[in-house]
Amino acid sequence: EAEVAQSPRYKITEKSQAVAFWCDPISGHATLYWYRQILGQGPELLVQFQDESVVDDSQLPKDRFSAERLKGVDSTLKIQPAELGDSAMYLCASSFRGTVGEKLFFGSGTQLSVL
Amino acid sequence: AQKVTQAQTEISVVEKEDVTLDCVYETRDTTYYLFWYKQPPSGELVFLIRRNSFDEQNEISGRYSWNFQKSTSSFNFTITASQVVDSAVYFCALSMDSNYQLIWGAGTKLIIKP
Repeated sequence: EAEVAQSPRYKITEKSQAVAFWCDPISGHATLYWYRQILGQGPELLVQFQDESVVDDSQLPKDRFSAERLKGVDSTLKIQPAELGDSAMYLCASSFRGTVGEKLFFGSGTQLSVL
Repeated sequence: AQKVTQAQTEISVVEKEDVTLDCVYETRDTTYYLFWYKQPPSGELVFLIRRNSFDEQNEISGRYSWNFQKSTSSFNFTITASQVVDSAVYFCALSMDSNYQLIWGAGTKLIIKP
């Protein structure tokens, strides 16, 4: 069964360093999402792509976070500089068209710890 | 206001007991979708079910069943004869015509003891 691939699985970094996460969605899925999940909470949408275009990045802290999906396939989420409060699980998800009621397929996530 | 409330932060039961996870939602849209996702310790969110606002039929899938009641704005999830493998965090979520993005509840951590 097709899966959403994410790497790395775990990342430990020091405050003020740069970190990057990678996501490869299910083949043929036009919509890609990056979520942040703090322990004990539900996922929070950071950015949504439709093909290579950003559809929604209203919750993305743009002073330090950036995301790209240059060829409309895989995507990279970057944090520079990392802060202690960025420690969380970063989840990538994809869906076929991004329409209402569509189910999302999630990757296993990247657990980020900022020291 | 659009909101999903999962009032139960954590539930602990002994294996083989039945358990119900509550989900209450708020929306003014007439067309909306409700979801349940499971997040095991591995971290990946796994889709369990989707229900649209026009279909109030309850659904059963093996040991899992869902009770959708528009009158009380609830979409509760019951696991019958629970098993240790059911231990996970379960999330209820909502999306609507006016806002495609999923609105997530805070999740309920379910612990099944052997």
